[in-house]
Order: sequence, then structure tokens, then C-alpha cells
Amino acid sequence: QKEVEQNSGPLSVPEGAIASLNCTYSDRGSQSFFWYRQYSGKSPELIMSIYSNGDKEDGRFTAQLNKASQYVSLLIRDSQPSDSATYLCAPYTGRRALTFGSGTRLQVQP
Amino acid sequence: DVKVTQSSRYLVKRTGEKVFLECVQDMDHENMFWYRQDPGLGLRLIYFSYDVKMKEKGDIPEGYSVSREKKERFSLILESASTNQTSMYLCASSNGYEAFFGQGTRLTVV
Repeated sequence: QKEVEQNSGPLSVPEGAIASLNCTYSDRGSQSFFWYRQYSGKSPELIMSIYSNGDKEDGRFTAQLNKASQYVSLLIRDSQPSDSATYLCAPYTGRRALTFGSGTRLQVQP
Repeated sequence: DVKVTQSSRYLVKRTGEKVFLECVQDMDHENMFWYRQDPGLGLRLIYFSYDVKMKEKGDIPEGYSVSREKKERFSLILESASTNQTSMYLCASSNGYEAFFGQGTRLTVV
């Protein structure tokens, strides 16, 4: 079983819709969770962090965490073509280094 | 803002050459990391360092070494470059949780 699993996509949504990106992780000791956005040919950029169960909202982004189910998700409301990118999930397991999922590619259709 | 700077954006090297990739961060972070990213394989950890002169192997250290003589600088060394080391190399630094990335070095070994 992979440490971090994400559907590779592409996930295609129309402009203005809600994009839902999902991630499951295997290490029950994971305490902190991060979402990165990576545009093609660029490096990953941190966009959200979440540390406790429930929802955390930041602008059009909402991160959701369910530690019992070992599940974390990212919702993007009012999706824009500029949101088209690969989104990487990264739980912090205390190894000192983040372990990244392979990412979900999101395409927002104008 | 955290700034992580990698010395080169693009590099082309010949098989068998010794290659140095340099990374500098300006936020006094203790932890620094080298990842490589390949299509379909995601981000894989090569080496990381949690203090000056301290290093630990990541998931794929073979063919690489690192050097950290100063807190702000972390170098990745390819002892004898091979074509299977053609990849995007990403340096990151961390305060212990979320990581911040440099712009990446796309290395081609011919």
C-alpha cells in the first residue's frame, strides 16, 4: 500500500464549478497535512495546511480532514482556468521529510 | 516570504561527469531536502539534512551524495552522472512541518 494515494486524474470541471480533490494516507500517526499546487514545469507551492479534524477555509479553498478515515480533501469553489494544475497531498508523519502523493491533475474548462 | 534558490534552472551534462546542484535558503530553517520528480513517479526524497554537517538518506540515495557545510546551503552531488538521472531536481527547506521549494533544476544527462 502506498503511503499517500491520490487519483492521478485528470479531473475535469467546468469554470465556476466546485473541484473536489481527495487523498488517503496510511500512517495513522500523521498529524499535519498540506496541499501543494504545482503548475506544469514549475515547483510545488504550498496553498493549504490543516492540523485537526474538520474543515479549514481560506478564500476559495477548503481543506477537510478525517483522521479516523485517514482521509484529507481539498475543495476549490468557483473554479477558474488558472486553477488548472497538479495538486499534491503531503501528510507530515514525523519523519522530518514530507511524503508526497503523486498528485491529481485538475483541468478547469472555460 | 521564504526564499529557496537553486543555482541553475536548466543543466545539460555528459554521462560520467560529476554534477553539483546548489541550494540556498534565507529563512534560517534547520531542515533541507533534495527531491527528484519524474512523470508517473511523483516526488521522491533523495537526501535530507536536519543540521549542519548532518544528513540522512531518503528513499533513493543511490548515485547521489550531499554536503551541508553552512546552515543556509545544501548541495546535491551526482558522483558520476548517468542518463537515468535525467530529471527535475527540487530543493526544499522546512521549519519542521511544511516545506518550501526552490524553482527546480531540470537536469538532462546526455
